[in-house]
Amino acid sequence: GENVEQHPSTLSVQEGDSAVIKCTYSDSASNYFPWYKQELGKGPQLIIDIRSNVGEKKDQRIAVTLNKTAKHFSLHITETQPEDSAVYFCAASRWDTDKLIFGTGTRLQVFP
Amino acid sequence: DGGITQSPKYLFRKEGQNVTLSCEQNLNHDAMYWYRQDPGQGLRLIYYSQIVNDFQKGDIAEGYSVSREKKESFPLTVTSAQKNPTAFYLCASRRTSGQETQYFGPGTRLLVL
Repeated sequence: GENVEQHPSTLSVQEGDSAVIKCTYSDSASNYFPWYKQELGKGPQLIIDIRSNVGEKKDQRIAVTLNKTAKHFSLHITETQPEDSAVYFCAASRWDTDKLIFGTGTRLQVFP
Repeated sequence: DGGITQSPKYLFRKEGQNVTLSCEQNLNHDAMYWYRQDPGQGLRLIYYSQIVNDFQKGDIAEGYSVSREKKESFPLTVTSAQKNPTAFYLCASRRTSGQETQYFGPGTRLLVL
C-alpha cells in the first residue's frame, strides 16, 4: 500500500538558519501533498500544501518543492525562529481516495 | 467561530469501561476522521466517514466504534476491548468536493486509571 517516509526524525538549528525536511512517497498516483505543524498538546495545523501540477509553492518563510519523477517533496523554512519549534508532518493522497497517508514526523528545535 | 471542537480535553478510563470522545464541526464538511497518536509517533487512522450514516474502518479499528447520525458530529467510543487505549485522539474533517485538505481539532488525551 501507499507509504510516506519522512527524514530526519529530529532536526536542531540555530535561530536564523534554514531547515529542510524531506518526504518520499510510494504511490505514483499521489497528487496532493500537505504539510502540518503540531505544537505540544495541540492538533496539527496545515501550514502549506502543493498539488502535483506545481513544482514549487512559497508562503513567506516557508516553501514546498515537489519532484514527481523522484517521488520526493520537501519543506523549506528560512530564517527560522524559536516559535517554529514543533513537530512537522508531511502527507500524501490520491485524487480518488479520501485518506491522507502521513509521514512519521520531524521534531524541529530552533535554538535562540 | 467556525471550526472543529473535541471534548473533553482529558478523559480518564477505568478498567473494563467504555468511554466516548466527542467531535463536532460547524464547517459543513462532508467527511470526518478519527486518528490515534502515541507519544513521539505519527497519526494512525481509526475510522472515517464520508457521508452521514456511513463509515469505514481505518488501519487500527479494533476496539473502537463510531457513529455518524448527523453531518456535524462523529463520536468515537473506545471500548473495553481496546487493551491499550492511552493515547492522544485527533478528529479531523474536510470537504469532499475537490481534493481539499483535512483540518484537525485540538485533540483529547485519554488516560487509563
